[in-house]
Amino acid sequence: GDSVTQMEGPVTLSEEAFLTINCTYTATGYPSLFWYVQYPGEGLQLLLKATKADDKGSNKGFEATYRKETTSFHLEKGSVQVSDSAVYFCALGAYGGSQGNLIFGKGTKLSVKP
Amino acid sequence: SQTIHQWPATLVQPVGSPLSLECTVEGTSNPNLYWYRQAAGRGLQLLFYSVGIGQISSEVPQNLSASRPQDRQFILSSKKLLLSDSGFYLCAWSVAGTKIKETQYFGPGTRLLVL
Repeated sequence: GDSVTQMEGPVTLSEEAFLTINCTYTATGYPSLFWYVQYPGEGLQLLLKATKADDKGSNKGFEATYRKETTSFHLEKGSVQVSDSAVYFCALGAYGGSQGNLIFGKGTKLSVKP
Repeated sequence: SQTIHQWPATLVQPVGSPLSLECTVEGTSNPNLYWYRQAAGRGLQLLFYSVGIGQISSEVPQNLSASRPQDRQFILSSKKLLLSDSGFYLCAWSVAGTKIKETQYFGPGTRLLVL
């Protein structure tokens, strides 16, 4: 079945460091791909998304490119800030199986130190 | 604009007690609605989803139930809580009529601790 695998954390970086959080997926057909962010004690917020191969989603300095050939959707940011400390979830939405299901990775906790 | 509300924000309940968590959405009609649970240190698990009033689909067998008495109201319930029901419960919505490839928007969550 469909699945998402993202790198396990926690990830600890210094401010202004480069960030990559890896995400790969398994799906039949052509899923949409999402990155959500969860700040401490809060719900999930959509960070960015891509709906077809080679699309690049971007928001708040974060980027991710939908790579069909490598089935990946890695999240990157060139210079992280302390305020980026959060848990990041990769997710896919696909046809087939349950109509209601977005499939989430287990999340990667990012801590940015000043 | 659309907003989604959940309450209560935090709840501490004894084992065996009942549960009712509420979620409401404003600014849209006939949304798809979802309940997720996030256990400590784990990812999100879809519990229920609904595409209309009175229409509930359950993803996993469990101690919980869901109801949708009104178009934009989604309720998560239990008759008798278990310790394993502890977690962070998130409600989400998506635009009516869209397939699952579309974005889901999440509420602020309810943190439930069963003692």
